[in-house]
Amino acid sequence: SQQGEEDPQALSIQEGENATMNCSYKTSINNLQWYRQNSGRGLVHLILIRSNEREKHSGRLRVTLDTSKKSSSLLITASRAADTASYFCATSTGSNYQLIWGAGTKLIIKP
Amino acid sequence: EAQVTQNPRYLITVTGKKLTVTCSQNMNHEYMSWYRQDPGLGLRQIYYSMNVEVTDKGDVPEGYKVSRKEKRNFPLILESPSPNQTSLYFCASSPSGPTYNEQFFGPGTRLTVL
Repeated sequence: SQQGEEDPQALSIQEGENATMNCSYKTSINNLQWYRQNSGRGLVHLILIRSNEREKHSGRLRVTLDTSKKSSSLLITASRAADTASYFCATSTGSNYQLIWGAGTKLIIKP
Repeated sequence: EAQVTQNPRYLITVTGKKLTVTCSQNMNHEYMSWYRQDPGLGLRQIYYSMNVEVTDKGDVPEGYKVSRKEKRNFPLILESPSPNQTSLYFCASSPSGPTYNEQFFGPGTRLTVL
């Protein structure tokens, strides 16, 4: 079952600009995670935000969580060509053994 | 180097010919999982294992089998592959369940069933 829905499906920006992508979900969550996938490769964990947190930072990444709106956003500041990838959100709703994944946002950074 | 390895990376096979995709992790993780990824559908979980000899179905287990006889290995078995199992497969592991733990992913296995 697909809970997270990323928006937009695709995003193309110039290098140096900020990129924002959003994730909406349907049911209450324990936490939300963001992963990055370079083309055809394995996913890499970026950040985890718990349901009682509102904002979290990691380097050039900033994640916010609004549980009242059931949504999260991932902001990448000062984008670089290496940020070109697909970004996925994954939510945990109760089971410790399963995450529910969105379909991803494809981000392209133009030089 | 801490990693999850999968073999083979690419496989083309024919309908009905049994195959196994191996997955191994060297991080002493308790939890391992198999996903398939199809365009526009994100990741869908096939099976997961909480520990040795403990496995459970994910969202799309039909047509697949798994076993967890050792902590480090979690092979995915397709007894009679069909074309609708053509997909990109990922194995992942984490110290315990993925709810509060980062998952480490393998490089993927691209399977084509003719």
